[in-house]
Amino acid sequence: DGGITQSPKYLFRKEGQNVTLSCEQNLNHDAMYWYRQDPGQGLRLIYYSQIVNDFQKGDIAEGYSVSREKKESFPLTVTSAQKNPTAFYLCASTSGRAYEQYFGPGTRLTVT
Amino acid sequence: AQTVTQSQPEMSVQEAETVTLSCTYDTSESDYYLFWYKQPPSRQMILVIRQEAYKQQNATENRFSVNFQKAAKSFSLKISDSQLGDAAMYFCAYSAQGGSEKLVFGKGTKLTVNP
Repeated sequence: DGGITQSPKYLFRKEGQNVTLSCEQNLNHDAMYWYRQDPGQGLRLIYYSQIVNDFQKGDIAEGYSVSREKKESFPLTVTSAQKNPTAFYLCASTSGRAYEQYFGPGTRLTVT
Repeated sequence: AQTVTQSQPEMSVQEAETVTLSCTYDTSESDYYLFWYKQPPSRQMILVIRQEAYKQQNATENRFSVNFQKAAKSFSLKISDSQLGDAAMYFCAYSAQGGSEKLVFGKGTKLTVNP
């Protein structure tokens, strides 16, 4: 079955540590996105990539980094510079033609 | 910058009744897409319905329909014959056409369905 996988579902880290969230898709989609969701907030765009080896900052990129070395993979690193990293992180992808984004199940990151 | 506003943080409806969720947006673009996404307690984002701005006809998907008023920049979602499984957070989202396809989301409306 085609879809988007994010791992792990829950992630715990100590303050000051970098952590990488995984996002893999087998939908053959060109574009991939990372969103952050906080209580009472909608989803906010962190980074996006429309093609391999290229990516752009979203609205809240500070303290985050990404890479896009393969079409199917778009990992997100939450660095120690991110002041409030505890949140729910969602990865999405789209083929571009239908403008419908498909979402992964999300990763809940808790930093203490 | 485009913005999406959902003015109802919470709504409730009786099972089998109809409820309407509101959404307004701000954009200077003429071509764009609007979406309603559902996020149940599992937190999986599920596309409910999509509307292309160039289409005058309102989109419908079974019990879900929209009232798209382009001039007023309004995009409300109507859920008919509400079911317990409709209980979720509902997010309105906007995407400009021909660009990066990134979505701009509203803050969401929590819908409770009472038996």
